[in-house]
Amino acid sequence: GENVEQHPSTLSVQEGDSAVIKCTYSDSASNYFPWYKQELGKRPQLIIDIRSNVGEKKDQRIAVTLNKTAKHFSLHITETQPEDSAVYFCAASMKAAGNKLTFGGGTRVLVKP
Amino acid sequence: ETGVTQSPTHLIKTRGQQVTLRCSSQSGHNTVSWYQQALGQGPQFIFQYYREEENGRGNFPPRFSGLQFPNYSSELNVNALELDDSALYLCASSLDSQGQFFGPGTRLTVL
Repeated sequence: GENVEQHPSTLSVQEGDSAVIKCTYSDSASNYFPWYKQELGKRPQLIIDIRSNVGEKKDQRIAVTLNKTAKHFSLHITETQPEDSAVYFCAASMKAAGNKLTFGGGTRVLVKP
Repeated sequence: ETGVTQSPTHLIKTRGQQVTLRCSSQSGHNTVSWYQQALGQGPQFIFQYYREEENGRGNFPPRFSGLQFPNYSSELNVNALELDDSALYLCASSLDSQGQFFGPGTRLTVL
């Protein structure tokens, strides 16, 4: 089955700097890659997603890039703010598997003011 | 538009007991997926229901079962509870192949 690896496990950045989280996946049939933000004690929130027919997608300070050949995708957060502090999860799925999401292990991001 | 809701919020059970968790999908969504999230880990897929039929299952034993109702709400049942079943149980709803939106979860503690 699909396996998703996520790095780094923790990331500490100064407010205003950029943060980058990287994920790799194993199944070349995966075609949908969402990112979730989970604050302590809260539900995972979908913040951005990308499909395999697109190489990059941006939404204000957040961007995701996808390299299908290398089977990796990344989340980029620019101009980080303290409210960006949370655990971020990447995931992969394929429609043929009923869109079951396989998650990475998570990255704990701390934005220091 | 109503978001995904789950009940109860917290639950404490003892080993060997049975538990039923409930999920109401977001308005307009026809698919519900269930995930188990252990402390400090990413969610693990349990199973998915699409239009009242099971549509995929993860690596969980048969004592994890579920169903979906005509209004697309769903239940997760766990029999013969074990200590390792202690976790946050999340349901997520979606419309066909669109993004999955999570509920607040049910924190299950097995003693």
